[in-house]
Amino acid sequence: EDQVTQSPEALRLQEGESSSLNCSYTVSGLRGLFWYRQDPGKGPEFLFTLYSAGEEKEKERLKATLTKKESFLHITAPKPEDSATYLCAVQALFSGGYNKLIFGAGTRLAVHP
Amino acid sequence: KAGVTQTPRYLIKTRGQQVTLSCSPISGHRSVSWYQQTPGQGLQFLFEYFSETQRNKGNFPGRFSGRQFSNSRSEMNVSTLELGDSALYLCASSLVSYQETQYFGPGTRLLVL
Repeated sequence: EDQVTQSPEALRLQEGESSSLNCSYTVSGLRGLFWYRQDPGKGPEFLFTLYSAGEEKEKERLKATLTKKESFLHITAPKPEDSATYLCAVQALFSGGYNKLIFGAGTRLAVHP
Repeated sequence: KAGVTQTPRYLIKTRGQQVTLSCSPISGHRSVSWYQQTPGQGLQFLFEYFSETQRNKGNFPGRFSGRQFSNSRSEMNVSTLELGDSALYLCASSLVSYQETQYFGPGTRLLVL
């Protein structure tokens, strides 16, 4: 079954303590992987798009990487304002020959001073 | 450039009623997608509209419908509301396809009593 799994479900970090969030997927024909950040009560905010294995993108303290089976969102020296839920979404050619976009359940990140 | 706007932001309805939600995409964006977000199921794709036509559809019952106007504004309608329809309904816009980078609105929080 085609699916997107994010781990951990929740992560608590101290300010400055770097870590990584994982998004693993089981699909055939990956066409793109998206990372979003969502604050409570708000819509997701676009962060990155990755298209092929080996690709990396950076924005401030965040760096996203992609392999053939998973993507990592690395957070370097996080600050309390990085606290949010991070969502990944996979766009792929799914069974039946059509394209589909599936979101993972997200990782809730809390960064404490 | 103004972002995606959704109205209303909050809504309380009772079972059996119907509801209409509105979404105005970013200027120049022609694709509008709708998602339902709940704590248990996460973000689930409802449907996508492009040039006033429904182009893609998720696995939701026919009680969920939508339309898009010539100015790309979109409405979503849910008829015969059920308790399980309580959720955050998110609208996202993109230039030509929901499989590209999407920009989300703040959402409409619907509570069905």
